[in-house]
Amino acid sequence: AQSVTQLGSHVSVSEGALVLLRCNYSSSVPPYLFWYVQYPNQGLQLLLKYTSAATLVKGINGFEAEFKKSETSFHLTKPSAHMSDAAEYFCAVSDPGGSYIPTFGRGTSLIVHP
Amino acid sequence: DAGITQSPRHKVTETGTPVTLRCHQTENHRYMYWYRQDPGHGLRLIHYSYGVKDTDKGEVSDGYSVSRSKTEDFLLTLESATSSQTSVYFCAISESGTRGDTEAFFGQGTRLTVV
Repeated sequence: AQSVTQLGSHVSVSEGALVLLRCNYSSSVPPYLFWYVQYPNQGLQLLLKYTSAATLVKGINGFEAEFKKSETSFHLTKPSAHMSDAAEYFCAVSDPGGSYIPTFGRGTSLIVHP
Repeated sequence: DAGITQSPRHKVTETGTPVTLRCHQTENHRYMYWYRQDPGHGLRLIHYSYGVKDTDKGEVSDGYSVSRSKTEDFLLTLESATSSQTSVYFCAISESGTRGDTEAFFGQGTRLTVV
């Protein structure tokens, strides 16, 4: 069965600092991986996705993530945090060998201090 | 933005009453999902549909039923609401469940409180 683990329910950074949100996956085959963002009182929207075309994936709002098969990881980064990045971030996995139904992690709340 | 509308957006109901939440899409996507979001649990799948009248259970389906009589509508029913079903419910759609690389699009959510 596929699953994702997000390390850290809360991450706090200063404005301008590096953002690193961690996601590790478990899948029997190379998976499809996604990062979503949720702003307060809104639904989730896609930040970026990995579908095996390239291991470094660039998304919206300056975010990027790197797929590392040896580490079963898909960590999300942004070089310089902005106040508007404060939100909940979800990692999700879809298993090509399974039902394709996306499975979500528990989420990481990003707090940005001025 | 994907055309997904959830109704109602907020609801307060009493324990033991039936409740139906509606998800309506204008994208003609095949797959539709109902998730619940709770602090510390992220999003958990309740039920999903892969076509008209084709539905299946997710990991937290007990106490919930669904129906899909038209491509555009997916209904979630709480047969007899309990306080443990107080949550934020999200509907999502995706173009095709046979291609796992397609992302899901989410509605704005329904905040349900059972008192």
